[in-house]
Amino acid sequence: DAKTTQPTSMDCAEGRAANLPCNHSTISGNEYVYWYRQIHSQGPQYIIHGLKNNETNEMASLIITEDRKSSTLILPHATLRDTAVYYCIVRVPSGTYKYIFGTGTRLKVLA
Amino acid sequence: GAVVSQHPSWVICKSGTSVKIECRSLDFQATTMFWYRQFPKQSLMLMATSNEGSKATYEQGVEKDKFLINHASLTLSTLTVTSAHPEDSSFYICSARDLTSGSREQYFGPGTRLTVT
Repeated sequence: DAKTTQPTSMDCAEGRAANLPCNHSTISGNEYVYWYRQIHSQGPQYIIHGLKNNETNEMASLIITEDRKSSTLILPHATLRDTAVYYCIVRVPSGTYKYIFGTGTRLKVLA
Repeated sequence: GAVVSQHPSWVICKSGTSVKIECRSLDFQATTMFWYRQFPKQSLMLMATSNEGSKATYEQGVEKDKFLINHASLTLSTLTVTSAHPEDSSFYICSARDLTSGSREQYFGPGTRLTVT
């Protein structure tokens, strides 16, 4: 599975957009990009995933560059409850489907 | 979305004893479940892939005789920490994939905090 790199931490003002980058320069053509977040002492929560096209759901938007070597998760209007560790994962959609978690980005939303 | 539960949510045990943690998919069937371990302020580390009806596949460096995994049904996988020691104290998390729904994501349980005294 491709390795991902993310900034260790970020701050964002409440109500503003939070843009969380992820580099996955060794990603293969059939590997999906997944984003999860983990609020303290809870299991990870699925946010969004994509392959090539940009994706949007009720939680966030995912922007994937044309060469697919990086992506950005966008939380359009961050709230205090969005404070969490955000993980970017790439996974081949076959075989065991296992995830390998990187270090993630600790997002702190400030009032 | 699909729900995964874990039991217990926390457990304290004495050194040398064994502890069993259950992972259940409540409203879907999962032929594959995953077990992770997480130490404070660290990321999740995949321990093993649990396959229904067959032996689990362990990640490199994980002792299969110490962390026994049983996936006896399509909705239940168990992790038994045998002869637990204080260094086994950690947050254990399971996940599962709903193979019938066509969705691509894994669903995670709430985690089990193990403290070995």
